[in-house]
Amino acid sequence: KQEVTQIPAALSVPEGENLVLNCSFTDSAIYNLQWFRQDPGKGLTSLLLIQSSQREQTSGRLNASLDKSSGRSTLYIAASQPGDSATYLCAGLNNNAGNMLTFGGGTRLMVKP
Amino acid sequence: DAGITQSPRHKVTETGTPVTLRCHQTENHRYMYWYRQDPGHGLRLIHYSYGVKDTDKGEVSDGYSVSRSKTEDFLLTLESATSSQTSVYFCAISGIGNSPLHFGNGTRLTVT
Repeated sequence: KQEVTQIPAALSVPEGENLVLNCSFTDSAIYNLQWFRQDPGKGLTSLLLIQSSQREQTSGRLNASLDKSSGRSTLYIAASQPGDSATYLCAGLNNNAGNMLTFGGGTRLMVKP
Repeated sequence: DAGITQSPRHKVTETGTPVTLRCHQTENHRYMYWYRQDPGHGLRLIHYSYGVKDTDKGEVSDGYSVSRSKTEDFLLTLESATSSQTSVYFCAISGIGNSPLHFGNGTRLTVT
């Protein structure tokens, strides 16, 4: 059974800093990995989806990488802003899990002005 | 935002009563999902649908049933609500292939 872990659970950084959020998974038979953002009281917003055949995806100041062999994905946020404050979740879709995503517990990010 | 509407947004109900949550999409996506989100447990899949009248169980399906009679609507029913079903419920949709998952804004359900 796939297990997805995100460490740390919470992170506080000053505005302007570049940062990396980590996501690790136990089963390398991963079909794709998705990063989401969740603001308090809201649903999840899809940020980036990396297919198993890809190594990374970029959108604006965000860059996500996927390394199946090591069971890791990272989300890089460049030049962080207070508006980036939110909880970031990663989720993996496995080849042998029907259509079920397995979510990590999330990293709560606070960017201080 | 993807066209997903969940109703109601908030509901308080008593133990033992039936409750139905509705998810409506305007994207004509094939897949629809119901998740619950709880502190300490994260997001867990309850049921999902891969087409009209085609549904399957997720990780935490006990005590829940679903129905999908139209592409755009996916209903989640708690036959007899219990306090352990107090949670935030999210509907999500996705297309075929490597399509991202899009979420609704959630329904906060409190069972007293």
